[in-house]
Amino acid sequence: AQTVTQSQPEMSVQEAETVTLSCTYDTSENNYYLFWYKQPPSRQMILVIRQEAYKQQNATENRFSVNFQKAAKSFSLKISDSQLGDTAMYFCAFSAGGTSYGKLTFGQGTILTVHP
Amino acid sequence: GAGVSQSPRYKVAKRGQDVALRCDPISGHVSLFWYQQALGQGPEFLTYFQNEAQLDKSGLPSDRFFAERPEGSVSTLKIQRTQQEDSAVYLCASSLGPGFYEQYFGPGTRLTVT
Repeated sequence: AQTVTQSQPEMSVQEAETVTLSCTYDTSENNYYLFWYKQPPSRQMILVIRQEAYKQQNATENRFSVNFQKAAKSFSLKISDSQLGDTAMYFCAFSAGGTSYGKLTFGQGTILTVHP
Repeated sequence: GAGVSQSPRYKVAKRGQDVALRCDPISGHVSLFWYQQALGQGPEFLTYFQNEAQLDKSGLPSDRFFAERPEGSVSTLKIQRTQQEDSAVYLCASSLGPGFYEQYFGPGTRLTVT
């Protein structure tokens, strides 16, 4: 079974600054996908970024980037130039690859507050 | 195009009542998932459908929970004899199918059992 751990229940950052959210996971799978989802107070879960385990290059989506350390089973999210709209709950999630149908295992979440 | 929709958005049920929660996935999406999210927690997997086939129901917490997707599109999650511990947000997500790992989530149904 897979587990995903987010050790930071809450984080805060000033607008325009950079913040990093941590995530570790445990799995015996070799082929898998990792995701960061954002859930604003309205509760609609939105995909922020994804990383395929077989890719060595870290994924980047505009202001969002990840630091994927496969050997350490670590998958952190860096948000640059933080904006007020980034305030949300962030979830790290794992999905086995290969023939798996893609069930997601989520971490406990990190509440991020961006202050003006 | 339209995203995943869920109804009702809010449901209050008295303990012991039966409830039915509906999910309309994105058109053409083969895979459909139900998750349960307790307050302040991450979602937890309940069940998975591939078209009309329920291939995994390992996350359903008890036999009071039942899900169906009879025509491979709309899905309904039914909870019989609701208990207070069933209070949560129930999220539905869909994806193109096996091998496509991006899931698109609906807004959820917040169930409160009094």
